[in-house]
Amino acid sequence: AQTVTQSQPEMSVQEAETVTLSCTYDTSENNYYLFWYKQPPSRQMILVIRQEAYKQQNATENRFSVNFQKAAKSFSLKISDSQLGDTAMYFCAFMTARYGSRLTFGEGTQLTVNP
Amino acid sequence: NAGVTQTPKFQVLKTGQSMTLQCAQDMNHNSMYWYRQDPGMGLRLIYYSASEGTTDKGEVPNGYNVSRLNKREFSLRLESAAPSQTSVYFCASVSSGDGSYEQYFGPGTRLTVT
Repeated sequence: AQTVTQSQPEMSVQEAETVTLSCTYDTSENNYYLFWYKQPPSRQMILVIRQEAYKQQNATENRFSVNFQKAAKSFSLKISDSQLGDTAMYFCAFMTARYGSRLTFGEGTQLTVNP
Repeated sequence: NAGVTQTPKFQVLKTGQSMTLQCAQDMNHNSMYWYRQDPGMGLRLIYYSASEGTTDKGEVPNGYNVSRLNKREFSLRLESAAPSQTSVYFCASVSSGDGSYEQYFGPGTRLTVT
Protein backbone atom coordinates (compact mmCIF):
# COMPACT_ATOMS: atom_id res chain seq x y z
CA ALA A 1 0.00 0.00 0.00
CA GLN A 2 1.06 3.53 -0.69
CA THR A 3 1.35 6.11 2.08
CA VAL A 4 1.97 9.84 1.95
CA THR A 5 3.21 11.84 4.94
CA GLN A 6 3.23 15.60 5.42
CA SER A 7 4.99 16.34 8.69
CA GLN A 8 4.16 20.06 8.88
CA PRO A 9 0.52 20.60 9.90
CA GLU A 10 0.92 24.39 9.77
CA MET A 11 3.38 26.85 8.32
CA SER A 12 3.51 30.60 7.93
CA VAL A 13 5.57 32.91 5.75
CA GLN A 14 5.85 36.62 5.12
CA GLU A 15 4.63 37.99 1.84
CA ALA A 16 7.33 37.93 -0.88
CA GLU A 17 9.43 35.35 0.97
CA THR A 18 10.08 31.73 0.04
CA VAL A 19 8.65 28.70 1.82
CA THR A 20 9.14 24.97 1.40
CA LEU A 21 6.52 22.35 2.24
CA SER A 22 7.68 18.80 2.89
CA CYS A 23 6.24 15.50 1.72
CA THR A 24 7.50 11.93 1.91
CA TYR A 25 5.90 8.81 0.51
CA ASP A 26 6.31 5.10 0.60
CA THR A 27 5.76 2.77 -2.34
CA SER A 28 7.21 -0.30 -4.00
CA GLU A 29 6.12 0.95 -7.42
CA ASN A 30 8.63 2.29 -9.92
CA ASN A 31 6.27 4.21 -12.20
CA TYR A 32 4.10 6.78 -10.49
CA TYR A 33 3.06 10.41 -10.38
CA LEU A 34 3.23 12.94 -7.57
CA PHE A 35 1.05 16.00 -7.19
CA TRP A 36 0.61 19.05 -5.05
CA TYR A 37 -2.97 20.29 -4.70
CA LYS A 38 -4.05 23.57 -3.16
CA GLN A 39 -7.33 23.95 -1.27
CA PRO A 40 -8.24 27.56 -0.45
CA PRO A 41 -11.10 28.42 1.93
CA SER A 42 -13.50 28.01 -1.00
CA ARG A 43 -12.82 24.26 -0.64
CA GLN A 44 -12.05 23.82 -4.35
CA MET A 45 -9.17 21.43 -5.07
CA ILE A 46 -6.70 23.06 -7.46
CA LEU A 47 -3.72 21.32 -9.04
CA VAL A 48 -0.51 23.24 -8.36
CA ILE A 49 2.17 21.04 -9.90
CA ARG A 50 2.79 17.50 -11.12
CA GLN A 51 5.90 15.30 -11.30
CA GLU A 52 6.35 12.06 -13.21
CA ALA A 53 8.64 9.66 -11.38
CA TYR A 54 10.51 8.67 -14.54
CA LYS A 55 11.58 12.28 -15.11
CA GLN A 56 14.73 13.31 -13.29
CA GLN A 57 14.17 17.00 -13.93
CA ASN A 58 12.22 18.78 -11.21
CA ALA A 59 8.91 20.28 -12.32
CA THR A 60 8.34 24.03 -12.18
CA GLU A 61 5.22 26.14 -12.68
CA ASN A 62 5.88 29.86 -12.39
CA ARG A 63 6.55 30.55 -8.68
CA PHE A 64 6.09 26.89 -7.73
CA SER A 65 8.80 24.25 -8.01
CA VAL A 66 9.47 20.84 -6.54
CA ASN A 67 12.49 19.03 -5.21
CA PHE A 68 11.93 15.41 -6.18
CA GLN A 69 14.31 12.92 -4.59
CA LYS A 70 13.23 9.49 -5.84
CA ALA A 71 15.70 7.43 -3.82
CA ALA A 72 14.74 9.24 -0.64
CA LYS A 73 11.03 9.17 -1.58
CA SER A 74 10.78 12.87 -0.93
CA PHE A 75 8.73 15.45 -2.83
CA SER A 76 8.87 18.99 -1.43
CA LEU A 77 7.13 22.08 -2.78
CA LYS A 78 8.88 25.45 -2.90
CA ILE A 79 6.81 28.59 -3.24
CA SER A 80 8.81 31.67 -4.21
CA ASP A 81 7.68 35.27 -3.80
CA SER A 82 4.76 34.19 -1.62
CA GLN A 83 1.50 36.04 -2.17
CA LEU A 84 -1.52 36.49 0.08
CA GLY A 85 -3.53 34.38 -2.34
CA ASP A 86 -1.24 31.43 -1.63
CA THR A 87 -2.87 31.08 1.79
CA ALA A 88 -4.49 27.64 1.65
CA MET A 89 -4.25 24.02 2.67
CA TYR A 90 -1.71 22.16 0.53
CA PHE A 91 -1.97 18.43 -0.09
CA CYS A 92 0.70 16.15 -1.44
CA ALA A 93 -0.70 13.19 -3.38
CA PHE A 94 0.58 10.00 -4.98
CA MET A 95 -0.83 8.12 -7.94
CA THR A 96 0.04 4.99 -9.86
CA ALA A 97 -1.84 4.09 -13.00
CA ARG A 98 -1.78 0.44 -11.92
CA TYR A 99 -4.46 1.04 -9.27
CA GLY A 100 -7.04 2.87 -11.32
CA SER A 101 -5.18 6.18 -11.21
CA ARG A 102 -6.56 6.86 -7.76
CA LEU A 103 -4.90 9.41 -5.52
CA THR A 104 -3.48 8.80 -2.05
CA PHE A 105 -3.29 12.05 -0.11
CA GLY A 106 -1.19 13.29 2.77
CA GLU A 107 -2.79 14.97 5.77
CA GLY A 108 -2.15 18.45 4.45
CA THR A 109 -0.18 21.55 5.46
CA GLN A 110 -2.04 24.78 6.26
CA LEU A 111 0.01 27.62 4.83
CA THR A 112 -0.64 31.19 5.92
CA VAL A 113 0.98 34.09 4.08
CA ASN A 114 1.22 37.15 6.30
CA PRO A 115 1.30 40.72 4.94
CA ASN B 1 -17.64 23.15 -20.37
CA ALA B 2 -18.72 22.90 -16.71
CA GLY B 3 -16.04 20.37 -15.66
CA VAL B 4 -17.17 18.29 -12.66
CA THR B 5 -20.47 19.20 -11.04
CA GLN B 6 -21.92 17.89 -7.79
CA THR B 7 -25.35 18.16 -6.20
CA PRO B 8 -26.31 19.11 -3.59
CA LYS B 9 -23.74 21.53 -2.16
CA PHE B 10 -25.04 21.14 1.40
CA GLN B 11 -27.20 18.52 3.10
CA VAL B 12 -28.33 17.76 6.63
CA LEU B 13 -29.61 14.27 7.38
CA LYS B 14 -30.89 12.52 10.46
CA THR B 15 -29.37 9.24 11.52
CA GLY B 16 -30.87 6.42 9.48
CA GLN B 17 -31.99 8.52 6.54
CA SER B 18 -30.76 7.79 3.05
CA MET B 19 -29.60 10.03 0.23
CA THR B 20 -27.74 10.02 -3.07
CA LEU B 21 -24.99 12.44 -4.01
CA GLN B 22 -24.86 13.14 -7.70
CA CYS B 23 -21.78 13.79 -9.80
CA ALA B 24 -21.38 14.49 -13.50
CA GLN B 25 -18.45 15.40 -15.75
CA ASP B 26 -18.49 16.70 -19.28
CA MET B 27 -14.83 16.09 -20.17
CA ASN B 28 -15.29 12.57 -21.58
CA HIS B 29 -13.12 11.08 -18.83
CA ASN B 30 -13.16 7.33 -18.33
CA SER B 31 -12.38 7.23 -14.61
CA MET B 32 -14.33 8.80 -11.77
CA TYR B 33 -13.85 8.87 -8.01
CA TRP B 34 -15.56 9.64 -4.72
CA TYR B 35 -13.48 10.96 -1.81
CA ARG B 36 -14.36 12.15 1.66
CA GLN B 37 -12.50 14.82 3.61
CA ASP B 38 -12.68 14.94 7.40
CA PRO B 39 -11.31 17.82 9.48
CA GLY B 40 -7.54 17.75 9.75
CA MET B 41 -7.21 14.95 7.24
CA GLY B 42 -6.51 14.56 3.60
CA LEU B 43 -9.00 13.16 1.16
CA ARG B 44 -9.67 9.45 1.39
CA LEU B 45 -11.01 7.34 -1.45
CA ILE B 46 -14.44 5.78 -0.95
CA TYR B 47 -15.10 4.17 -4.34
CA TYR B 48 -13.92 4.61 -7.87
CA SER B 49 -14.94 3.63 -11.37
CA ALA B 50 -12.08 3.04 -13.79
CA SER B 51 -14.46 2.84 -16.73
CA GLU B 52 -18.15 2.77 -17.51
CA GLY B 53 -19.69 -0.38 -16.07
CA THR B 54 -17.03 -1.01 -13.42
CA THR B 55 -16.72 0.06 -9.81
CA ASP B 56 -14.19 -0.77 -7.10
CA LYS B 57 -13.82 -0.14 -3.40
CA GLY B 58 -11.36 2.37 -2.11
CA GLU B 59 -9.94 2.93 1.34
CA VAL B 60 -13.20 3.64 3.24
CA PRO B 61 -16.16 1.99 1.41
CA ASN B 62 -18.25 0.82 4.37
CA GLY B 63 -21.71 2.39 4.52
CA TYR B 64 -21.67 3.53 0.89
CA ASN B 65 -22.76 2.27 -2.50
CA VAL B 66 -22.05 3.69 -5.94
CA SER B 67 -23.50 3.56 -9.42
CA ARG B 68 -21.75 4.46 -12.65
CA LEU B 69 -24.89 5.36 -14.54
CA ASN B 70 -23.09 6.16 -17.80
CA LYS B 71 -19.77 7.65 -18.81
CA ARG B 72 -20.75 11.09 -17.49
CA GLU B 73 -22.40 10.27 -14.16
CA PHE B 74 -21.21 8.58 -10.97
CA SER B 75 -23.47 8.65 -7.91
CA LEU B 76 -22.75 7.88 -4.25
CA ARG B 77 -25.51 6.54 -2.01
CA LEU B 78 -25.75 6.45 1.76
CA GLU B 79 -28.39 3.84 2.61
CA SER B 80 -28.58 4.54 6.35
CA ALA B 81 -26.66 7.63 7.34
CA ALA B 82 -24.58 7.66 10.52
CA PRO B 83 -22.95 10.60 12.36
CA SER B 84 -19.54 9.16 11.37
CA GLN B 85 -20.42 9.97 7.78
CA THR B 86 -20.47 13.69 8.51
CA SER B 87 -17.86 14.96 6.08
CA VAL B 88 -17.18 16.87 2.88
CA TYR B 89 -17.55 14.68 -0.19
CA PHE B 90 -15.66 15.30 -3.41
CA CYS B 91 -16.20 13.75 -6.79
CA ALA B 92 -13.35 13.73 -9.30
CA SER B 93 -12.54 12.51 -12.78
CA VAL B 94 -9.20 11.95 -14.40
CA SER B 95 -7.66 12.84 -17.70
CA SER B 96 -5.45 9.90 -18.62
CA GLY B 97 -5.64 10.03 -22.40
CA ASP B 98 -3.04 12.80 -22.59
CA GLY B 99 -0.79 11.14 -20.04
CA SER B 100 -1.23 13.91 -17.49
CA TYR B 101 -3.34 11.93 -15.00
CA GLU B 102 -4.61 15.22 -13.60
CA GLN B 103 -7.71 14.72 -11.48
CA TYR B 104 -10.41 17.35 -11.80
CA PHE B 105 -12.50 17.88 -8.71
CA GLY B 106 -16.06 19.01 -8.16
CA PRO B 107 -16.85 21.75 -5.63
CA GLY B 108 -17.73 19.30 -2.86
CA THR B 109 -20.82 18.46 -0.82
CA ARG B 110 -20.88 19.26 2.90
CA LEU B 111 -22.95 16.58 4.62
CA THR B 112 -23.96 16.71 8.26
CA VAL B 113 -25.62 13.72 9.93
CA THR B 114 -27.29 14.46 13.26
